[in-house]
Amino acid sequence: GENVEQHPSTLSVQEGDSAVIKCTYSDSASNYFPWYKQELGKGPQLIIDIRSNVGEKKDQRIAVTLNKTAKHFSLHITETQPEDSAVYFCAATLRPGAGSYQLTFGKGTKLSVIP
Amino acid sequence: NAGVTQTPKFQVLKTGQSMTLQCAQDMNHNSMYWYRQDPGMGLRLIYYSASEGTTDKGEVPNGYNVSRLNKREFSLRLESAAPSQTSVYFCASRVTRDTQYQPQHFGDGTRLSIL
Repeated sequence: GENVEQHPSTLSVQEGDSAVIKCTYSDSASNYFPWYKQELGKGPQLIIDIRSNVGEKKDQRIAVTLNKTAKHFSLHITETQPEDSAVYFCAATLRPGAGSYQLTFGKGTKLSVIP
Repeated sequence: NAGVTQTPKFQVLKTGQSMTLQCAQDMNHNSMYWYRQDPGMGLRLIYYSASEGTTDKGEVPNGYNVSRLNKREFSLRLESAAPSQTSVYFCASRVTRDTQYQPQHFGDGTRLSIL
């Protein structure tokens, strides 16, 4: 099955700096890669996702890049703010659409933005 | 629009007791999922239901049973709770389309402690 490795497990940055979280996956057939943000006491919320036919996707201060050859993808947060402090999870999955489709999650990165 | 609602939010059980965790979604989604989240382990899939009337095992199904009561509701049952089942449990749902993967939407979790 799929295996997703996520690094680092903790990350502290100064407010206004950039943060980068990296994930690698094992199954070259994986083709959908979402990122989730989890705030304390809440469930994970999707913040951005990318499909394997795209190398980069951006949404305001958040961007995700995908390198299919190397089987890794990264989350980039620019101009970090205290409200970006949370745990971030990457995930990978195979085949679009089918109901029996499962996400494999990384173990999470705790991001702390220091004011 | 509540999204995915989980009840209860907190529960303490004694070893050997049984309990059912409830999950309901109001987004007319086909697929529903149960995960557990343990420190440093990310999210691990317990069971899922691709559509009403079907259920399948995920990565860590032992000690659990599920029921897809109708399209809206998917419950998780612990028949004889064990301390190793102390965790935070998340329910998720998503619409299924053959052409593109649609992301999973999560509830805010049930925090379960077994003494």
